Amino acid sequence: GAGVSQSPSNKVTEKGKDVELRCDPISGHTALYWYRQSLGQGLEFLIYFQGNSAPDKSGLPSDRFSAERTGGSVSTLTIQRTQQEDSAVYLCASSLGSGGPSYEQYFGPGTRLTVT
Amino acid sequence: GDSVTQMEGPVTLSEEAFLTINCTYTATGYPSLFWYVQYPGEGLQLLLKATKADDKGSNKGFEATYRKETTSFHLEKGSVQVSDSAVYFCALSLQASGSRLTFGEGTQLTVNP
Repeated sequence: GAGVSQSPSNKVTEKGKDVELRCDPISGHTALYWYRQSLGQGLEFLIYFQGNSAPDKSGLPSDRFSAERTGGSVSTLTIQRTQQEDSAVYLCASSLGSGGPSYEQYFGPGTRLTVT
Repeated sequence: GDSVTQMEGPVTLSEEAFLTINCTYTATGYPSLFWYVQYPGEGLQLLLKATKADDKGSNKGFEATYRKETTSFHLEKGSVQVSDSAVYFCALSLQASGSRLTFGEGTQLTVNP
């Protein structure tokens, strides 16, 4: 079946512009996670959605970052006034639930963001 | 806070050599432990996991044992192949944190024929 998809696969933007990154999770998966993979910081958690609960935003690096999940499915990560340090690969993952380790997270291919 | 430390990389081996990638963790609760692999040009995928002390996760000839006393989860394979060349990430999750993953730095493995 279809896996997690992300778009765009690559995005080049100028410093100061806003960008939106999209994630389509696996159908039926109630949990959705965003991570960032960068040279300096490795793989780090950004935000997590579970069903209709309030998202866990504790990993967002600044208030320029926000995310929403519409209808419990598609998620959009928005970065306002992009900075060069935002350049990274943004990964989305989904799982059937989040109540324990039996819920494997399936990762998308990522969006490579380059801020010039 | 919770953290994962992996051995410094990169690691270069010849085919059929023995592989060990060290991983230790610090966690406030009782974590589940994972190894993820990222093959060139591909997405991150789960390699193996262990959810309680002394559990051994295994897959594709790779093994790792959850050692609570040493807070470790070292990855091993008896005979590596060229196709094992990839980046390997050790990670932990805690149910209390929504099972989000905390990753180590990653170890680049290159296997030469």
